[in-house]
Amino acid sequence: KQEVTQIPAALSVPEGENLVLNCSFTDSAIYNLQWFRQDPGKGLTSLLLIQSSQREQTSGRLNASLDKSSGRSTLYIAASQPGDSATYLCAVRPGGGATNKLIFGTGTLLAVQP
Amino acid sequence: GAGVSQTPSNKVTEKGKYVELRCDPISGHTALYWYRQSLGQGPEFLIYFQGTGAADDSGLPNDRFFAVRPEGSVSTLKIQRTERGDSAVYLCASSFEASNTEAFFGQGTRLTVV
Repeated sequence: KQEVTQIPAALSVPEGENLVLNCSFTDSAIYNLQWFRQDPGKGLTSLLLIQSSQREQTSGRLNASLDKSSGRSTLYIAASQPGDSATYLCAVRPGGGATNKLIFGTGTLLAVQP
Repeated sequence: GAGVSQTPSNKVTEKGKYVELRCDPISGHTALYWYRQSLGQGPEFLIYFQGTGAADDSGLPNDRFFAVRPEGSVSTLKIQRTERGDSAVYLCASSFEASNTEAFFGQGTRLTVV
């Protein structure tokens, strides 16, 4: 059974710092991995999608990497800003073709202090 | 529409009542997903539609929960005989196809059963 874990559960950093959020998954047979942002009381905003054949994806100050064999992904945020404060969720889409559901971690709550 | 739309945004109902939650996916998206998110947790998969058919309903917790997508666009999640434990945010997502494409989420419906 695929399980997704995110560490740390919460993180507080001063503005301007670079930071890394971690995501690990137990079964390397995945189609892709997606990182989301969730603001309090809101839905999920897609940040980056990495296909299983890719090693990384970049969007602005965000860079996500994927090491499928070791079951790990990281989300790197450069020059953090108070507006980056949110919960960050990673989700994997299991391979094998049986389903297309996403399996989520419990998220990392990020606070960027001005 | 421009994004995934969910109505209502909030729903308060009495224990034992029946509720319907609606999801309008992004135009042209054939895949539609329902998730449930409890406080402090990641979203948990409920059901996935490909077109009009439920391709995977393995996440529905019991037979009080049912979802339809009769014309392959709008979907309705139906909960009978609601219980206090059904209180959560219900999230809908859609994607262009299925396995390898990005999933986009709506803002969710917060259901409170009193």
